[in-house]
Amino acid sequence: ETGVTQTPRHLVMGMTNKKSLKCEQHLGHNAMYWYKQSAKKPLELMFVYSLEERVENNSVPSRFSPECPNSSHLFLHLHTLQPEDSALYLCASSLGRTGPYEQYFGPGTRLTVT
Amino acid sequence: EDQVTQSPEALRLQEGESSSLNCSYTVSGLRGLFWYRQDPGKGPEFLFTLYSAGEEKEKERLKATLTKKESFLHITAPKPEDSATYLCAVALYNQGGKLIFGQGTELSVKP
Repeated sequence: ETGVTQTPRHLVMGMTNKKSLKCEQHLGHNAMYWYKQSAKKPLELMFVYSLEERVENNSVPSRFSPECPNSSHLFLHLHTLQPEDSALYLCASSLGRTGPYEQYFGPGTRLTVT
Repeated sequence: EDQVTQSPEALRLQEGESSSLNCSYTVSGLRGLFWYRQDPGKGPEFLFTLYSAGEEKEKERLKATLTKKESFLHITAPKPEDSATYLCAVALYNQGGKLIFGQGTELSVKP
């Protein structure tokens, strides 16, 4: 595997389900990010992790819970989501958090909440 | 408030018809400006980083330029495979790794 990978690529879940999104980066980077991309809206930064420490949480509802067990892996745990949470969820990584460093993105998980 | 605006929202070109995409920004302290390409159903693909006014970078048919208020992505003699959404993002001082993205320009190149 190379670059940034995300699984699953597609996810359909009910409002009462619990699911997790997984991201893995193979670039040796130290910072990882979760973004939400909704139709016709700019990418919205959700969380930033630097060396496994959460350094930013952009007022994201508590039904989204991130986890970064090491610098290569990032998870987004989902529970009791709303239909408006349907979107493309993108993971990204960069060499560091300050820089500025370009961010490299995964292919995304298309989430549909029914 | 820090803001990034891209124009036009959509652009349709004939193959070989050169044009430019615009990214204007109103920010408190620009540390870097990034251009990305995004194909449908995929994550953004990094293209360029620009750090200071007057800087230019090129890659195949694409050329990115930067002034103190805006950046342009010039596309010379585009081909259908250049069709994608082009995203602009800025990094600011004292904002860590946070990028502020514009809404993108959807480019369609017809043969």
